[in-house]
Amino acid sequence: SAVISQKPSRDICQRGTSLTIQCQVDSQVTMMFWYRQQPGQSLTLIATANQGSEATYESGFVIDKFPISRPNLTFSTLTVSNMSPEDSSIYLCSVRSGTGDDEPQHFGDGTRLSIL
Amino acid sequence: KQEVTQIPAALSVPEGENLVLNCSFTDSAIYNLQWFRQDPGKGLTSLLLIQSSQREQTSGRLNASLDKSSGRSTLYIAASQPGDSATYLCAVRLETSGSRLTFGEGTQLTVNP
Repeated sequence: SAVISQKPSRDICQRGTSLTIQCQVDSQVTMMFWYRQQPGQSLTLIATANQGSEATYESGFVIDKFPISRPNLTFSTLTVSNMSPEDSSIYLCSVRSGTGDDEPQHFGDGTRLSIL
Repeated sequence: KQEVTQIPAALSVPEGENLVLNCSFTDSAIYNLQWFRQDPGKGLTSLLLIQSSQREQTSGRLNASLDKSSGRSTLYIAASQPGDSATYLCAVRLETSGSRLTFGEGTQLTVNP
């Protein structure tokens, strides 16, 4: 399965600032995803990062708040903009391994973000 | 809207016991179902993936079953060990939701030595 590295692993940020999270995969993958896990809750998909085109956002998430880049098949970034305490969560990068549509999804270790 | 429920929310068992974790989903038009474990402060580790056409998958001491028509899946863990302590999450991928996984809230498992 793909090895996924996320940076930073954790951060503490001030209200109103922005943070960019990086996701690096050790192999080329077609599908990359960004999820959020709020404290005590399960995971929610933020967006699908598409290589060479705009990301596809889920209901309730917008590009101005969560801009995403996908410059190539092994790398993506998620920016959390103008942060507020409600953005305190774990942000996880996920990929689907292989080329088939029925391959499992794999996750990085996540970025634990706290906003003061 | 797909809803995924996991019961129980927490489970504590003595080492060596066999146990079953339950996952139910409201929309049976799923593409596949995946079980993960999450250790504290960590990401998710994929355990088993069951396609909608399959009834079960096995990996070592783990066995996952799927009853698509009734909207249920179970994860069976044989001869539990303290290292199995983690939160177990099930996630379904709908036929109509593209690649989005819908997660349950997880079962927090503690295996006591």
